[in-house]
Amino acid sequence: QKEVEQNSGPLSVPEGAIASLNCTYSDRVSQSFFWYRQYSGKSPELIMSIYSNGDKEDGRFTAQLNKASQYVSLLIRDSQPSDSATYLCAVAPSTGNQFYFGTGTSLTVIP
Amino acid sequence: GAVVSQHPSWVICKSGTSVKIECRSLDFQATTMFWYRQFPKQSLMLMATSNEGSKATYEQGVEKDKFLINHASLTLSTLTVTSAHPEDSSFYICTYSSLSSYEQYFGPGTRLTVT
Repeated sequence: QKEVEQNSGPLSVPEGAIASLNCTYSDRVSQSFFWYRQYSGKSPELIMSIYSNGDKEDGRFTAQLNKASQYVSLLIRDSQPSDSATYLCAVAPSTGNQFYFGTGTSLTVIP
Repeated sequence: GAVVSQHPSWVICKSGTSVKIECRSLDFQATTMFWYRQFPKQSLMLMATSNEGSKATYEQGVEKDKFLINHASLTLSTLTVTSAHPEDSSFYICTYSSLSSYEQYFGPGTRLTVT
């Protein structure tokens, strides 16, 4: 059983603060890792992908991967109310294979 | 990125009827597509993997005869919910997995409500 775990939240941060979202996974052969943002009633949209250990930055978003600890995180700097959504962590063992999704973390950014 | 469409975006049907959901890849040829189901406040649960020209592979606990998947062409996959019941009410999402970029491209989803 491949498991992906996230804190369900809800996580609340004030506008302008840093939001930190965490994800752990059980399958050591996992190769690719993704963070998706899902607004209520909408399909998930890709925020970040990361494949190598370390940090990857894209605008206000930074993904951090530690394969030894089987841990991947997402930092959102200068959080905005529009960032309020559910964030899903997804893990895949190799190209073309199915993803395993976490249960999602609900984030609320308070103006 | 790749574009995936779904039709209809929402549907209401009566219990006992069947509903077909179409998933189209608009700018690429998708050999493999995935169908997910998402209940309110829950994560995405994989239902089946749809392979072009061959039978779909269903996840444990998903009834093959109830959720019929057809992937007859490289651009179209369909999910038919047969003899729908209120407990089938959910958000159904198809995705395409790229063999070259590790990513999955999501369709916009179909909200099914069975009354």
